[in-house]
Amino acid sequence: DVKVTQSSRYLVKRTGEKVFLECVQDMDHENMFWYRQDPGLGLRLIYFSYDVKMKEKGDIPEGYSVSREKKERFSLILESASTNQTSMYLCASRLRKGSNEQYFGPGTRLTVT
Amino acid sequence: QKEVEQNSGPLSVPEGAIASLNCTYSDRGSQSFFWYRQYSGKSPELIMFIYSNGDKEDGRFTAQLNKASQYVSLLIRDSQPSDSATYLCAVNPGSGNTPLVFGKGTRLSVIA
Repeated sequence: DVKVTQSSRYLVKRTGEKVFLECVQDMDHENMFWYRQDPGLGLRLIYFSYDVKMKEKGDIPEGYSVSREKKERFSLILESASTNQTSMYLCASRLRKGSNEQYFGPGTRLTVT
Repeated sequence: QKEVEQNSGPLSVPEGAIASLNCTYSDRGSQSFFWYRQYSGKSPELIMFIYSNGDKEDGRFTAQLNKASQYVSLLIRDSQPSDSATYLCAVNPGSGNTPLVFGKGTRLSVIA
């Protein structure tokens, strides 16, 4: 059974705080992704990682950074949270080869006040 | 710019009817195609994937792919109120590490 977990379902932070969102998968997937989802804008890719210690910018990387020190864990960092980063954050993972199916975690609803 | 287009809906169908959801994509070289279901406040759940032209059936769901016309569709037979959700179409425009391109989704409402 596929399993992607995220550290928090709901999070409230203050403007200017440094925020860490953690994602862990137990499927030995090479690829991992961070998205945000906002009403009317759909899923937008923030960063992704092909494999351990690798990272690539997605469509909206500004204000975010990532870390992937271990294959199973992919962290999203908001260096200085702002109110416009209030959103649903979704992590996903995928095998690089074969079926290429991508699975999402449950999401983190982040509110920045 | 690789694009995936879906009608935003809402698409309303009566209970027991067939719901037909459509998706077009811009990159002719796209290799694999996915349908996700997303309930309000929840994360997307993979329900179907298809790689070859034609139909693929799984229970009440059928995915249809026509690469020549660059469209993929999802049919839901015997629609139930529990099928009411937003359905996201996603396309892998390459292979291997290429990120999926997602449509914005079609909201389906099944009326009891």
